[in-house]
This record gives sequence, structure tokens and C-alpha cells, in this order.
Amino acid sequence: AQSVAQPEDQVNVAEGNPLTVKCTYSVSGNPYLFWYVQYPNRGLQFLLKYITGDNLVKGSYGFEAEFNKSQTSFHLKKPSALVSDSALYFCAVRDLGSGNTPLVFGKGTRLSVIA
Amino acid sequence: ETGVTQTPRHLVMGMTNKKSLKCEQHLGHNAMYWYKQSAKKPLELMFVYNFKEQTENNSVPSRFSPECPNSSHLFLHLHTLQPEDSALYLCASSQEATGTYNEQFFGPGTRLTVL
Repeated sequence: AQSVAQPEDQVNVAEGNPLTVKCTYSVSGNPYLFWYVQYPNRGLQFLLKYITGDNLVKGSYGFEAEFNKSQTSFHLKKPSALVSDSALYFCAVRDLGSGNTPLVFGKGTRLSVIA
Repeated sequence: ETGVTQTPRHLVMGMTNKKSLKCEQHLGHNAMYWYKQSAKKPLELMFVYNFKEQTENNSVPSRFSPECPNSSHLFLHLHTLQPEDSALYLCASSQEATGTYNEQFFGPGTRLTVL
């Protein structure tokens, strides 16, 4: 069965500094990987996804993520953080090797960008 | 968030009440989902409907009863809930097709409190 881990409950970063939100996954086949963001009192918004191709994926709001097969990781990054990036971030994985499996989410990482 | 709407946004109910949550998607998608989001826990997938057929039921108690009358509407009927059922209930939709896995679009959620 597939699983995803977000090892940090909370990440704090100063505005203008680069940010990284970590995600590792476990699947039996090839993964489809996603990042979502949730602002207060809102649903989840799609940021980016990796299916195949380039390991560096670019998404919304200047975010990008790097797929690393050997480390089974898909960390979310942004070169320069904004206060408005403060939110809850979810990594999710879908296992292509196990038939029609559902999307599995991590428990989320709260990002706080300090001015 | 106008793509997927949920009503009501907030609901307070007693353990003996019967209520329903409503979700509507305006994206022309063919799959819809109910998730439960509790504090400090991963998103829990409850039900999946593909082409109006229920394809996933993750051992959800029978006090939660889904209904999908067409591909645009999804309901979650609630009765005799427990206080531990208090959570944010999120609806999502996606376009599913053989061999492809597309991102899900989420509604803003219904914040449910069971007294």
C-alpha cells in the first residue's frame, strides 16, 4: 500500500528566504505525486504534480518540487518566501503499480513566513 | 473555489439530529469524493463516486450515508453522529480516465460540530 510522510509539522522561514517543505513516499510501482495548499477556512488548492518527465516540476505561485526517485522524495521549494505563503501544505501520492488506487495524503506541514 | 461548492459552510447538530451536507461541482468532472479532515491527522478518504457509482468506502460507519444522484451533485447524509465526528468535511472532484490521474479540485468544506 502506498504512503506519504511529511516529517515536519511546522516550518518557519523569514520572508525573502528560500523555503523547503519535505515529503517522502512509499509505493510499489511508479508514483504520481501532488502538492496542495490549504489557507484558513478554505479547501485544498492544487499547486503542482509529477507524473513523468523532468524531475523538477514548476507549479502555481512560484512553487516548484523536485522528484528524487533514489531518495523517494518530492520536496516542495520556493526561492523567496512571501508572508502570504503561510498556510498548510499537503503532499499526496497515487501508486500506479496497484491498480485504481485512491490518492493518499500526508498529515500536512504548517508553513509560517515571518516578515 | 467556485468550481466546487459546499453547503452549509458550518453546521452544529446534536447526536440525535439528521442533517445532510451538499456538494456541487461545476467543472464537468466524472468523479467525486468525500474526505474528513481532523486536526493533526491526515485527510481521510471516506467515499468515492466514479460515473455516479460508488467505488470506494473506507470502512466508514453507517451513520454516514453518501448519495450521488448525478455526476455534478454529491450528498452526505448524517444521523446519530458522535462528538468525535466533529471535523471539516471536504468534497472534491476530478476527471478520471483510464491511464490518467488528474488532480482533484476541492470545495471549501463544511465545518461540522456534534454536541
